[in-house]
Amino acid sequence: GAVVSQHPSWVICKSGTSVKIECRSLDFQATTMFWYRQFPKQSLMLMATSNEGSKATYEQGVEKDKFLINHASLTLSTLTVTSAHPEDSSFYICSSLIPGHGGGYTFGSGTRLTVV
Amino acid sequence: GENVEQHPSTLSVQEGDSAVIKCTYSDSASNYFPWYKQELGKRPQLIIDIRSNVGEKKDQRIAVTLNKTAKHFSLHITETQPEDSAVYFCAASTSNTGNQFYFGTGTSLTVIP
Repeated sequence: GAVVSQHPSWVICKSGTSVKIECRSLDFQATTMFWYRQFPKQSLMLMATSNEGSKATYEQGVEKDKFLINHASLTLSTLTVTSAHPEDSSFYICSSLIPGHGGGYTFGSGTRLTVV
Repeated sequence: GENVEQHPSTLSVQEGDSAVIKCTYSDSASNYFPWYKQELGKRPQLIIDIRSNVGEKKDQRIAVTLNKTAKHFSLHITETQPEDSAVYFCAASTSNTGNQFYFGTGTSLTVIP
C-alpha cells in the first residue's frame, strides 16, 4: 500500500519548452506532497511543499514562477518546469506522507529530465 | 531551518564487515529520523527509522541509534553483503504529522566481495 505513481519516468525536451511531471497517490489520499530535486551524486533537495487546495510553499532559492506546482485533488500533484533550460536537467522526485505510519514517507519513482 | 550533516561521503568495506554512517541535526524539535537506501536512478527506499522517544532500533542486520542530547544518529549495518552497496541518506523531520523533512548529503557505500 501507500504507492505514489510518478510520470513520466524520463523526458527530453528542448530549451524554452515546458514539462509537466505528475504524481498520483494510488491507494491513499495525499494531502501533502513534497517535491525534491537531485543532481548527480548529490542529495535530495527539497524544492517545495504542496498542500491540496492551497498554494505551494517553496524553499528559499526555488523560483515559484519557474517550477509551478498544482495540487488540485487529494490524489494528484503536478510539477511543471516552465521555460526549461539545460541547468534544469535533474532527477525530480515527489514524496508523500504515508497515512497511519506515524511519519514515514513514500516516494514516486522519479523523473529524469534532460533539457537540450 | 533544519540542517542535516552526514559522514562519511564514501565508505568502502569488505564483505562481512560492519559499516557505520553518522548524521547530525540542528533542530532540537526534530523527532523522526528515517534512513533511506537509494540505488542509482531509483527512488529512495526506507530501510529503518527511529523516533525521538527511542534510543535504538534494530532490524536484522540494520540498526539505528539516536542521541537526542548530542543531536546525532547513526546507521549500523553488520555482516555487509555486496547488495548493500548503494547510497544511503539520513533525514530529519520536525514533525511526524506531515511536515517536510531534510536529507543528509548521502553516503556511497561499496561492499567489496
